[in-house]
Amino acid sequence: GQNIDQPTEMTATEGAIVQINCTYQTSGFNGLFWYQQHAGEAPTFLSYNVLDGLEEKGRFSSFLSRSKGYSYLLLKELQMKDSASYLCAVRTNAGKSTFGDGTTLTVKP
Amino acid sequence: DTGVSQDPRHKITKRGQNVTFRCDPISEHNRLYWYRQTLGQGPEFLTYFQNEAQLEKSRLLSDRFSAERPKGSFSTLEIQRTEQGDSAMYLCASSPGLSYEQYFGPGTRLTVT
Repeated sequence: GQNIDQPTEMTATEGAIVQINCTYQTSGFNGLFWYQQHAGEAPTFLSYNVLDGLEEKGRFSSFLSRSKGYSYLLLKELQMKDSASYLCAVRTNAGKSTFGDGTTLTVKP
Repeated sequence: DTGVSQDPRHKITKRGQNVTFRCDPISEHNRLYWYRQTLGQGPEFLTYFQNEAQLEKSRLLSDRFSAERPKGSFSTLEIQRTEQGDSAMYLCASSPGLSYEQYFGPGTRLTVT
């Protein structure tokens, strides 16, 4: 089976940088996703890592270490609208994606 | 094309009734996924189609759940003999052939009374 762990809640200040960690245990790993989900809305895609290293996309970056079963999402220059739940999801070779329970990020002024 | 659509957006049903939800993916997306999400949890995988073939189905799903994608376009998810524990948001997502990012629909919120 798969096990995905991420912190339940985090708080950060507007303009700051925050790192949301995700650890996973899985067989047949075939990539890791990060999604953003605002309350009452559907998840929206942020990033996909299949190889080790850092992927940068604007204010958001995502890092993957397959040997450590570890990823993080880095959010820079935080804005109030970044307050949301951030979901880590692991894809397997079979095509199934397993989501963590999400990290609720609160950005304060 | 404006994205993945789901119908209905809300459904209230009595325990024991059958319900069916529809998902229309982004056109030309060959992969389609169904998830269930409850408050404070991440989406829970239910099943996955590539074109019309159902390739993976969660072992968590009982025989009361069934999904189809007959022509490789829209999909339906049926829940038979609903139970109160089935109350949740049912999310559909699709992804194109050359990438694995999933585009989610707005979901169908099911309430079983």
